[in-house]
Amino acid sequence: QVQLQESGPGLVKPSGTLSLTCAVSGGSISSSNWWSWVRQPPGKGLEWIGEIYHSGSTNYNPSLKSRVTISVDKSKNQFSLKLSSVTAADTAVYYCARVAASYSSSGAFDIWGQGTMVTVSS
Amino acid sequence: DIQMTQSPSTLSASVGDRVTITCRASQSISSWLAWYQQKPGKAPKLLIYKASSLESGVPSRFSGSGSGTEFTLTISSLQPDDFATYYCQQYNSYSPVAFGQGTKVEIK
Repeated sequence: QVQLQESGPGLVKPSGTLSLTCAVSGGSISSSNWWSWVRQPPGKGLEWIGEIYHSGSTNYNPSLKSRVTISVDKSKNQFSLKLSSVTAADTAVYYCARVAASYSSSGAFDIWGQGTMVTVSS
Repeated sequence: DIQMTQSPSTLSASVGDRVTITCRASQSISSWLAWYQQKPGKAPKLLIYKASSLESGVPSRFSGSGSGTEFTLTISSLQPDDFATYYCQQYNSYSPVAFGQGTKVEIK
């Protein structure tokens, strides 16, 4: 079965760039699914960041679009998130997730990574 | 963009109770709605998709209903494992994905 695993630095300095990777195992990132990033600040709700298809097509949350880049590396079966100009407000648990619907960027998230905590602090 | 509003924010209930959580969309999303359960320190778990379809492996005591702008998640008989926070999510293709603010189900 498909599994997702996030990795990356747990601490990022203010004004820096947050970089995370999501490794896909048990399946191919070149399947018919889109792949997403979702974050959750401590004690708060879920916020969708954006998504990518293996072709490189992306969709981003308008509230973060100017700072977000999501990319895919098919050779490594993984996708990545970069968030620039970070502040303390970007401190959160970051999850990667699979969009359930085949060939559609719109769908529920049926598989999630365990999440990785990223703290923005000097 | 579509906004999602859940009620209540917190719900106190006992084992065996029937529990209902409501989610309202700021505009019609047809049936493009999912429900998730999240426990502390864990990733969300998909329960319901397309408003009323039960995800594989999810107990049948969970059910979803609604369409347009008003949706409900019902737990027919609350079990000890069900104490958690629940989120709705809209995935209408014409608007960015959005989640409700969450409903925490606590032990009464």
